[in-house]
Amino acid sequence: EVQLVQSGAEVKKPGATVKISCKVSEYTFTDYYMHWVQQTPGEGLEWMGLVDPADGETIYAEKFQGRVTITADTSTDTAYMELSSLRSEDTAMYYCAVQDPSNDAFDIWGQGTMVTVSS
Amino acid sequence: SSELTQDPAVSVALGQTVRITCQGDSLRSYYASWYQQKPGQAPVLVIYAKNSRPSGIPDRFSGSSSGNTASLTITGAQAEDEAVYYCNSRDSSGNHLGVFGTGTKVTVL
Repeated sequence: EVQLVQSGAEVKKPGATVKISCKVSEYTFTDYYMHWVQQTPGEGLEWMGLVDPADGETIYAEKFQGRVTITADTSTDTAYMELSSLRSEDTAMYYCAVQDPSNDAFDIWGQGTMVTVSS
Repeated sequence: SSELTQDPAVSVALGQTVRITCQGDSLRSYYASWYQQKPGQAPVLVIYAKNSRPSGIPDRFSGSSSGNTASLTITGAQAEDEAVYYCNSRDSSGNHLGVFGTGTKVTVL
């Protein structure tokens, strides 16, 4: 069974940087795109960006461009999302999700990582 | 970028049928996928490629599309179907799956 296991909750101060991991198992890491999605408390889903682990190519949402970096480590089958210059509005649940390139869909999701930004 | 609009909430009697809609210009060119999210849980894919279901998703879930509107139908809604449902599709450039709908809260009465 395909699994995405994310790192644990984080508490950060404004201006800091957070880096969340998403380790995959039971599938070939380079066969799927890896996406990251933000969900602020009580709100909807917002796409942040993606990485193609096969070649490291990334696409970022305009809202997060310049503050987000998504990477993939093929030696450990782990994807990372780093968000810098944190502000209170970044307090949210962050999900990784994989997409089979042949499907326009997020096939499997990680369990989520809660990031709290507070002074 | 694009926008996908959903009704905020709908209710359905146990065992009855409910249809959730998602409107947006990108849906004229690209399929929508649908996600179910229960409180405190990650979203789960229920419909993709207009009307395909992942393994394990009950066949009471179905999808359709016409023009700029995609729909998710639950036929014979069960108590466990109570959740928020989000649609998703590509952005207007078609480069990525960057657009989520606003979400519809489904209440099963």
